[in-house]
Amino acid sequence: GENVEQHPSTLSVQEGDSAVIKCTYSDSASNYFPWYKQELGKRPQLIIDIRSNVGEKKDQRIAVTLNKTAKHFSLHITETQPEDSAVYFCAAREFNKFYFGSGTKLNVKP
Amino acid sequence: GAVVSQHPSWVICKSGTSVKIECRSLDFQATTMFWYRQFPKQSLMLMATSNEGSKATYEQGVEKDKFLINHASLTLSTLTVTSAHPEDSSFYICSARGLAGEVTGELFFGEGSRLTVL
Repeated sequence: GENVEQHPSTLSVQEGDSAVIKCTYSDSASNYFPWYKQELGKRPQLIIDIRSNVGEKKDQRIAVTLNKTAKHFSLHITETQPEDSAVYFCAAREFNKFYFGSGTKLNVKP
Repeated sequence: GAVVSQHPSWVICKSGTSVKIECRSLDFQATTMFWYRQFPKQSLMLMATSNEGSKATYEQGVEKDKFLINHASLTLSTLTVTSAHPEDSSFYICSARGLAGEVTGELFFGEGSRLTVL
């Protein structure tokens, strides 16, 4: 199956700074790349997604970029706030299945 | 978004017993459900994919006789951990996708079930 790698595993930023999380995938057949935010003890929540026919997508302070040739995609959070602190997972959909990255624990310091 | 409910949220059982976890889509018909296992501070590991009315497809390394998955209706899938052992202790999360999701790709997750095997 698909192999998704995510970096960094932990990220600490000052409130107001930007945060970038990067993922790579292995199967060029993957065509949909969602990002999920998971707060402690809660279910993952979709925050943004991108399809393989798009290079960039933005939603307020969150943006995602995709480089199909290099098989990597990134999550960008600008003007971070303490409530952005959580674990973030990237995922890639290969045919009917979703494979997740290992997660990034983001800590936004006030 | 759509609501997926998982039950129970916590379960403690003795080694050797079986435990059933339910995953329900409350306001949509889930044509596909996925079962994941999440170890502490780790990612979600796909265990199996189930489509309503057909046998589940298991990922490599997942014992289908140990983790029985049933997707008997468009709103309910169950995961039964048979003859549970302490190493089966984990957080199990289901996710569901409806017909619209097959186009958009969006998944909806249950709250998760924490299994502790003594």
